[in-house]
Amino acid sequence: GENVEQHPSTLSVQEGDSAVIKCTYSDSASNYFPWYKQELGKRPQLIIDIRSNVGEKKDQRIAVTLNKTAKHFSLHITETQPEDSAVYFCAATFSGGYQKVTFGIGTKLQVIP
Amino acid sequence: EAQVTQNPRYLITVTGKKLTVTCSQNMNHEYMSWYRQDPGLGLRQIYYSMNVEVTDKGDVPEGYKVSRKEKRNFPLILESPSPNQTSLYFCASSFRDGNTIYFGEGSWLTVV
Repeated sequence: GENVEQHPSTLSVQEGDSAVIKCTYSDSASNYFPWYKQELGKRPQLIIDIRSNVGEKKDQRIAVTLNKTAKHFSLHITETQPEDSAVYFCAATFSGGYQKVTFGIGTKLQVIP
Repeated sequence: EAQVTQNPRYLITVTGKKLTVTCSQNMNHEYMSWYRQDPGLGLRQIYYSMNVEVTDKGDVPEGYKVSRKEKRNFPLILESPSPNQTSLYFCASSFRDGNTIYFGEGSWLTVV
């Protein structure tokens, strides 16, 4: 089955700096890679995703890159703000009917004002 | 309003006393699943369902049962809860194509 490894488990950055979270996956059949943000005491919510036919996707201060050959994908947050403080989860799955979703263990991001 | 609703939100129970956590979604999603979240272990999938009467095991199914008799409902059953099932549980749903997974608000379960 799929295995997703996520690094680092905790990350502290100064406000305004960039943050990068990396994930690797094992199943070459996986073709959909979402990222979820979970604020303290709340449910995870999708912030950005990428499909295997795309190498990079950007949405304002957030971007995700995918390297299919190396089986890794990364979340990049630029100009971090205190409200970016949360736990971030990456995930991998095969989109198209087979719906076993495997999540990484999460990265706790702290943005220091 | 599109939502996934799970109940109860908080529950303290005793070892061995059967309990059910209900989950309902109003988005006509085919896919529903249950996750547990534990410190340092992230979100682990317990069971998932691709449609009515179709369920399959996730990564940590031991000690849990599910059923999918209706498209909108996907209850999680703990037949004989044990303390190692103390956790935060999330129900989730999405369309079959695997786009956005919507999570419920979570159910804090403590087994003493």
